[in-house]
Amino acid sequence: DGGITQSPKYLFRKEGQNVTLSCEQNLNHDAMYWYRQDPGQGLRLIYYSQIVNDFQKGDIAEGYSVSREKKESFPLTVTSAQKNPTAFYLCASSIDYWGGRINEQFFGPGTRLTVL
Amino acid sequence: AQKITQTQPGMFVQEKEAVTLDCTYDTSDQSYGLFWYKQPSSGEMIFLIYQGSYDEQNATEGRYSLNFQKARKSANLVISASQLGDSAMYFCAMREGRLGAAGNKLTFGGGTRVLVKP
Repeated sequence: DGGITQSPKYLFRKEGQNVTLSCEQNLNHDAMYWYRQDPGQGLRLIYYSQIVNDFQKGDIAEGYSVSREKKESFPLTVTSAQKNPTAFYLCASSIDYWGGRINEQFFGPGTRLTVL
Repeated sequence: AQKITQTQPGMFVQEKEAVTLDCTYDTSDQSYGLFWYKQPSSGEMIFLIYQGSYDEQNATEGRYSLNFQKARKSANLVISASQLGDSAMYFCAMREGRLGAAGNKLTFGGGTRVLVKP
């Protein structure tokens, strides 16, 4: 089955530690995205990547970093510079930059990060 | 200014009845797309329906339909014949610019929680 996997499902971090959230897709999608969701709120874009070895900052990139070395993978690192990292993190992908009429984003199951 | 506004934080609906979820948007682009996603308690986002700014007819997908009023900049979701499984958060989102522009980014509203009563 094609889809997006995120791991781990739950992650606990001590203050001052960097943590990396995994996102893998086997949909052969070119574009990938990371969103943050706080309780009772909508999604906010952290970073996105349209193609391998290229990525762009979203609306709330401070304190986060990403890499896109492979088409299938788009890991997100939450650094110690992120002041309030406790949130639900969702990874998404879309078919490609130019194709399709709708080009909807497909989402993974999410990772819930808690800072202790 | 908010680009996507969902004014209803929560709604109750009786099973088998219809419910309308409001969404207004703000953009200066002529070309844009509007999406609705469902988020059950599990957290995963499920794509429901799409409306392009140049689409002449309102979108429909099964029990979901979109009441698109371009001049009023609204794109309300209608769920007909509500089922218990429809209980979830619902998010309206917008992609500005023509398809493929600006990385195909989405801007989300704050969501509406729907609870279907038996």
